[in-house]
Formats: sequence, structure tokens, C-alpha cells
Amino acid sequence: DAGITQSPRHKVTETGTPVTLRCHQTENHRYMYWYRQDPGHGLRLIHYSYGVKDTDKGEVSDGYSVSRSKTEDFLLTLESATSSQTSVYFCAISVDANTGELFFGEGSRLTVL
Amino acid sequence: EDKVVQSPLSLVVHEGDTVTLNCSYEVTNFRSLLWYKQEKKAPTFLFMLTSSGIEKKSGRLSSILDKKELFSILNITATQTGDSAVYLCAVDNYGQNFVFGPGTRLSVLP
Repeated sequence: DAGITQSPRHKVTETGTPVTLRCHQTENHRYMYWYRQDPGHGLRLIHYSYGVKDTDKGEVSDGYSVSRSKTEDFLLTLESATSSQTSVYFCAISVDANTGELFFGEGSRLTVL
Repeated sequence: EDKVVQSPLSLVVHEGDTVTLNCSYEVTNFRSLLWYKQEKKAPTFLFMLTSSGIEKKSGRLSSILDKKELFSILNITATQTGDSAVYLCAVDNYGQNFVFGPGTRLSVLP
């Protein structure tokens, strides 16, 4: 099993504050993803990374930035959190290029008041 | 814009029933279609389909893809309460992006 750890798992913050979510993997997989999940929308891609310092935007990237300085860590930053960013955030890794399987972390629930 | 649509969005059945979940898609470049099951936490992988007409099967779950009509179905026979979950359909569009549908919430009553 691919090992993914997301932190924090739960966070409540106020509008305008910066927030960083961390995704840590133990398996040295190249591709990592950040998704947000909201009712009625399913999972929407925020950003993804295809290697150290190689990242690209997804469909809902506005208001988010990412960094990947090491293979094992993919950070998602909200520079100035807004209430519309209240969501559950999932990190995922592509574990098998042949099957297309994504392995997801347990999720981070963020509430912006 | 790439899009994945699932129906129904919600379904309530009784144990022993058979259910069919639908997924249709419009994507620019199709590589594969994937099904995931999401219970309380993270989605877990069920199937990947790349070719039309070839059924994938795992126990009571099976799935098939029609690339001409751009849809897939997920069948669950003899449902059990443990099948209660949200079932997500996703399409890999070659851009290292997986486009997900909104999911079908299945509730199986005893």
C-alpha cells in the first residue's frame, strides 16, 4: 500500500489567514495531486506535480499555490483563506501508470469562518 | 470543457437488490475511465476500463465501457449494507488530470 499522510486532518481558521496543508508520501511516486471535494461537485483538481519543482494548475487553482521541494512532500497553500475554500482536501498519488490508479490520502477538512 | 456526469445522484435500495450506476463523459482526449468507492473517508480504486465491451469483474461488482456512446455502467448484484457508499466515476484525459463526476450515493437498507 502506498503511504500518504495528510496534515493537519482538521483545521478551522478565519478569513484572510494563510493556511498550508501538507501531503507526505513514503513511496517515491512521481505524480502527486491536490483535489478538493464539495457536495454536488465531486473531486476537482487544484494543482498537481510531476516531479520536484514541477507543478501545474488544475481546474480550480485560483487562490491556491503549491510547492514540491522534495519528492515526498507536496504542499498546498491558501495565501489568504476565504469562506469559499471551506472544503475537504484530498492528496493523491498515481501509484501505477498502467492502471491509472490514484491512491488517496485520508483528507483534510478545512473550515474558513 | 471536459465533463463527467453520473446518474442517479442518489439511490436507496434493499439488501439483495441489483443496482446499475451510470457514468457518461465528454473529454477531449480519452485514455481510461475509472471507478472508485468512497465510504467515510478516502476514495478507493475499483476498476479501470480502457476498451469498449470488455467487462471488468470483481466479486459482485462489474463494469463495462462503451467508447462509441461515451458511457460506462457499474453493476452491483445482491447488494449488501457494506456496499453503501458514494461511487465516483473519473476519466483520465491524458493531461495527468483525472476528471471526476459528482458521484452516486448508494444506500443499501437491511
